[in-house]
Amino acid sequence: DGGITQSPKYLFRKEGQNVTLSCEQNLNHDAMYWYRQDPGQGLRLIYYSQIVNDFQKGDIAEGYSVSREKKESFPLTVTSAQKNPTAFYLCASSIRGNLAKNIQYFGAGTRLSVL
Amino acid sequence: AQSVSQHNHHVILSEAASLELGCNYSYGGTVNLFWYVQYPGQHLQLLLKYFSGDPLVKGIKGFEAEFIKSKFSFNLRKPSVQWSDTAEYFCAVMNTGRRALTFGSGTRLQVQP
Repeated sequence: DGGITQSPKYLFRKEGQNVTLSCEQNLNHDAMYWYRQDPGQGLRLIYYSQIVNDFQKGDIAEGYSVSREKKESFPLTVTSAQKNPTAFYLCASSIRGNLAKNIQYFGAGTRLSVL
Repeated sequence: AQSVSQHNHHVILSEAASLELGCNYSYGGTVNLFWYVQYPGQHLQLLLKYFSGDPLVKGIKGFEAEFIKSKFSFNLRKPSVQWSDTAEYFCAVMNTGRRALTFGSGTRLQVQP
């Protein structure tokens, strides 16, 4: 089955700890995205990557870091600098060409909580 | 910066009632608009999209949306809702430069049998 796999489904972070959320896609998509979902605020863009070895900050990048070493993988690290990390994190991917085909497909999400 | 407003935060309807969810965006240039739906426990999935052409677009499960440029609106409609339409609905606009989405805050729809 083609799709986007996020793991783990649930994650708990201790004070001062960095944690990494995994996102893998087998859709052969060039572009990948990370969003954060909070109740009543919709989804907000954290980081995005249009191509391997390149990524850009989104609207709320502070306290997060990413890497894009492989086309199919776009892990997100929530660092200790992120003071309010409790949220639902969604990864998405899309092709990079024609805008009309630039539809984002989403993973099932990771729910991060602070202990 | 682009922004998207969804004014209905929580809507409760009875089955067979008609639905209209409001969406307004704040970008004056060329826009690409989307409605996504998140059913309980499921992935966020695309309902419908508008890129160009006919301003009335049809999506899955009987949903449609109308792009009204003069009103900066992209409202979602369905003539007769079902209990299975209970979900959260998100309107989004694409930033054509970075090709990422700006989402509204979402509308939680509850359909009562």
